[in-house]
Amino acid sequence: NAGVTQTPKFQVLKTGQSMTLQCAQDMNHEYMSWYRQDPGMGLRLIHYSVGAGITDQGEVPNGYNVSRSTTEDFPLRLLSAAPSQTSVYFCASSYSRTGVSPLHFGNGTRLTVT
Amino acid sequence: RKEVEQDPGPFNVPEGATVAFNCTYSNSASQSFFWYRQDCRKEPKLLMSVYSSGNEDGRFTAQLNRASQYISLLIRDSKLSDSATYLCVVNSEGSQGNLIFGKGTKLSVKP
Repeated sequence: NAGVTQTPKFQVLKTGQSMTLQCAQDMNHEYMSWYRQDPGMGLRLIHYSVGAGITDQGEVPNGYNVSRSTTEDFPLRLLSAAPSQTSVYFCASSYSRTGVSPLHFGNGTRLTVT
Repeated sequence: RKEVEQDPGPFNVPEGATVAFNCTYSNSASQSFFWYRQDCRKEPKLLMSVYSSGNEDGRFTAQLNRASQYISLLIRDSKLSDSATYLCVVNSEGSQGNLIFGKGTKLSVKP
């Protein structure tokens, strides 16, 4: 049972480049989300999805897009990378839509934008 | 007032010590509470859920005080392996139940 799988683990981008962070879970979880973690800021919610075909914005959505075409996959797209998007990104999933069950996290993607 | 607040620490304690962390939350409608543990450069992992009546898991005890809107984590007989950052997590009912993370309290257990 792989749980939540994120790729890549590390990425360096130049300003203006685009890329997609991949996230897949094999636990049949309805809820999936993307967080970013910056020093002194804690984990902040970027986007989330309560099921296939449904996505919504979190606290810091600007500069990011998501889609949820299947229950398993929830990719995060950076449209035009900026240095402010240098961060560690975590994908997470949970069984419940309503935040009453805990999140299971992927290993994270360390992104540097130069 | 921030949604979830924690003392960032660091808490430096000797092995075998008892240490307690508190966390306050602002949304009185919050229904779900968790403690997560995060090791350096790793993903957060669930340590334990926090139930209304309080709950214990080995050396770890979690308490909830709804009236004062805080939760606590007590670690007894600290081990070197307990060194980590402990994240307080609360669901924010007004945001369709998304989980809100505190910034974490860093614990360092010394020999």
